[in-house]
Parts: sequence; C-alpha cells; structure tokens
Amino acid sequence: GAVVSQHPSRVICKSGTSVKIECRSLDFQATTMFWYRQFPKQSLMLMATSNEGSKATYEQGVEKDKFLINHASLTLSTLTVTSAHPEDSSFYICSAPAGTGANTQYFGPGTRLTVL
Amino acid sequence: QQPVQSPQAVILREGEDAVINCSSSKALYSVHWYRQKHGEAPVFLMILLKGGEQKGHEKISASFNEKKQQSSLYLTASQLSYSGTYFCGTEAGGTSYGKLTFGQGTILTVHP
Repeated sequence: GAVVSQHPSRVICKSGTSVKIECRSLDFQATTMFWYRQFPKQSLMLMATSNEGSKATYEQGVEKDKFLINHASLTLSTLTVTSAHPEDSSFYICSAPAGTGANTQYFGPGTRLTVL
Repeated sequence: QQPVQSPQAVILREGEDAVINCSSSKALYSVHWYRQKHGEAPVFLMILLKGGEQKGHEKISASFNEKKQQSSLYLTASQLSYSGTYFCGTEAGGTSYGKLTFGQGTILTVHP
C-alpha cells in the first residue's frame, strides 16, 4: 500500500509556542490531504482538508488562524499549531488518498503533541 | 453526523467470531474500515463502495447495505493480533468527497 510519513512523531512544547507537523506522501502524489485530531480514548475528528495550490478548508469549529495548513507540494502538507495551549495536546494524524477511484485513505503514523 | 458503531466493546477467546456494525443517518458513498492499536495510527482494512458490496481480507470481511446505510465487519476465527479498536469511516460523497466521518470505535480484545 501507499506510504504516508509524519514528522515529528512526538513533540513536547511550552504553552504559547508554535509547533509544525509535516505530512509526506512517500511513493505517490497527493493533491489533497486530510488532517485529523484524536483525543485519548476518542474517535478521529476531521480538522481540515489540505489542498495543493489553494487554501485549506476547515471543519466547523476549527480555528483556521490557530491551525495553519500549507500544502507546499504534491507530496507535502504541514500543520502549524500556533500559540499552543495544553488543551491542544492531542494525537494529530494526516491522511492522503491513493489509488484510482476508490480513494483509499492512507494514514500517517501520527504526531503526539503535548503542551505543558 | 457521526456514524454509530455497535457493540462498543467485544471480548473474545482466540478462534471465536465477532461482528461489528456501523450505522449512518445519512446516505453514504462509501464505508471504510480501520483497525487502530494503542498509540498507533489507524491501519486500513478495506473500503466498500457499492450497495450490497462484500469484501474479504483473509479472515476479515465486510458488507455494505446502501439502502439501510449500514455496514458490518466480520471477524472469523479471531487471532490475538486482531485486538485493537475498530473504526468505520463513512464518506458522503459530493462536496464531502474524500472526507471521512468516523464512528466512536469498537474495542476488540482477543484472549488466548
């Protein structure tokens, strides 16, 4: 199957700082990528759709000025959590569709963010 | 709206079978099934596109009843490696093409 990587896998930061998370499709191109957030023992919640060459679209309730998304190339999307607070601590996972027609979503390994 | 999964948790002995259901209140374009181990990202199991479609993956198979807006995941002769949380992700299609809405998850535990 297709491979999606994320970096870093784990990050601990102080409250008020910004954190950038990278999502890369390693063996395929992705004009669209998706960013999810998962709190402990909860389901995955879609935050935003990252679009190469255009602005990201955000789900209801997700602050676009706080979660900046940049789809720099056909293989790279970045999520920057600005002015992070402890309530932003979560597991952030990206996905990218691969294959033809079926749009199977392949997930990256996730980034565990802890804000102190 | 989030699809509803049932049951919330299942405990099995190795070799036993299980069924996990996923129901949506909205018309669906596709249903995706994933398994997630603790601390890891979800791993793709299968996708079902057409109403009535059934798919198999080793001893794991699934069905999709488009009319009833339901999907079921069947795990037969369970193995220890099947333990994890199973999520269904539903795709509505149209302007929501590619976006998945996940159920709350079903925790499956397989004991020796």
